[in-house]
Amino acid sequence: GAGVSQTPSNKVTEKGKYVELRCDPISGHTALYWYRQSLGQGPEFLIYFQGTGAADDSGLPNDRFFAVRPEGSVSTLKIQRTERGDSAVYLCASSLMSSGGAGEQFFGPGTRLTVL
Amino acid sequence: DQQVKQNSPSLSVQEGRISILNCDYTNSMFDYFLWYKKYPAEGPTFLISISSIKDKNEDGRFTVFLNKSAKHLSLHIVPSQPGDSAVYFCAASVSGNQFYFGTGTSLTVIP
Repeated sequence: GAGVSQTPSNKVTEKGKYVELRCDPISGHTALYWYRQSLGQGPEFLIYFQGTGAADDSGLPNDRFFAVRPEGSVSTLKIQRTERGDSAVYLCASSLMSSGGAGEQFFGPGTRLTVL
Repeated sequence: DQQVKQNSPSLSVQEGRISILNCDYTNSMFDYFLWYKKYPAEGPTFLISISSIKDKNEDGRFTVFLNKSAKHLSLHIVPSQPGDSAVYFCAASVSGNQFYFGTGTSLTVIP
């Protein structure tokens, strides 16, 4: 399909384990965003990539969270030593951004992470 | 600190009537605002946006109003249809970098 895809759709892990969440943005979209959404809340910004570089990672809650986008397309969000509080839906979005502008973000369906 | 607030968690409207969803923000540097619609188990879907240089943007049944002095925006849906039932999020950003989302308003349109 032509939309943003995220894998896996669901991930159940045990406290202390390492997880990787993958996002495939829309082809040609230079901007990529990761958000975390807890129950009853709106999406909470984590990190924003413009091309291969993290333009803003101020939303990452601590150093257990890390994200990469090595070729400017697919991105992986990595969480080390998972905690029960990390349980949430992790959303990825991409947009076609012109310099200095804001583009409509297209969201993927999310990965539901459950830490037992 | 919640920079974007949606103070009504839910709203019910009769089919055919107007739905008005409200959003308040605190950061005067925000220059781009969006509304998203979300169905269960799906990611948010873009509805409509407005930049801070405008006070109104219309797209079909959807109109967004921006009142910069009050730091308030609203989404009007008219006429409301049962298929509009979903959770609506407003979001704001400074130059399209970090986006801040509200907590959402669940709209139910009653047939």
